[in-house]
Amino acid sequence: NAGVMQNPRHLVRRRGQEARLRCSPMKGHSHVYWYRQLPEEGLKFMVYLQKENIIDESGMPKERFSAEFPKEGPSILRIQQVVRGDSAAYFCASSGNRATNEKLFFGSGTQLSVL
Amino acid sequence: EDQVTQSPEALRLQEGESSSLNCSYTVSGLRGLFWYRQDPGKGPEFLFTLYSAGEEKEKERLKATLTKKESFLHITAPKPEDSATYLCAVRTLNRDDKIIFGKGTRLHILP
Repeated sequence: NAGVMQNPRHLVRRRGQEARLRCSPMKGHSHVYWYRQLPEEGLKFMVYLQKENIIDESGMPKERFSAEFPKEGPSILRIQQVVRGDSAAYFCASSGNRATNEKLFFGSGTQLSVL
Repeated sequence: EDQVTQSPEALRLQEGESSSLNCSYTVSGLRGLFWYRQDPGKGPEFLFTLYSAGEEKEKERLKATLTKKESFLHITAPKPEDSATYLCAVRTLNRDDKIIFGKGTRLHILP
């Protein structure tokens, strides 16, 4: 059983470029969460998605950031026109059923570095 | 505002020296409290879920307890491989239904 798969593990972008982070949830999971982590900081909630729906995006900046979880394929976190302050580790987590199973399974993260 | 505060920020122990990590929370209603372990360069790994005051869970050298205001992660006779960052998270009963993480405690066990 594959766990939550994130790619790439490391992503380097120059200011103004776009960053696309991918997350494949665990098999059978339909709930995906994106978190951002800075060094020695906790995980900051960004967005919660179910298949084809954004349920809660209250933690996501209003500009430049977007997320999707299509019917087929991985969830994508997209950051347009990246700035140095976007440099961080981005973690994706999945769960099977939000109502009864709150346990989150995390991927290994994508470390985004903006030059 | 819902908050999760962990203390201490960092803890260095000798191998075999037992201690406790604290997670205090302020939420309007608690659906569940979670403990995770995170190793450098990796995603958090689930340890425990606690739902109500008085509940305890154990796994090897770790025991988690819960009161109405805080949770403790007790580490008994730790080994160097227990070195990691331990994260506490709460899920609220609010309509938001968020899972909020603390900043973690960095634990280092010296051989």
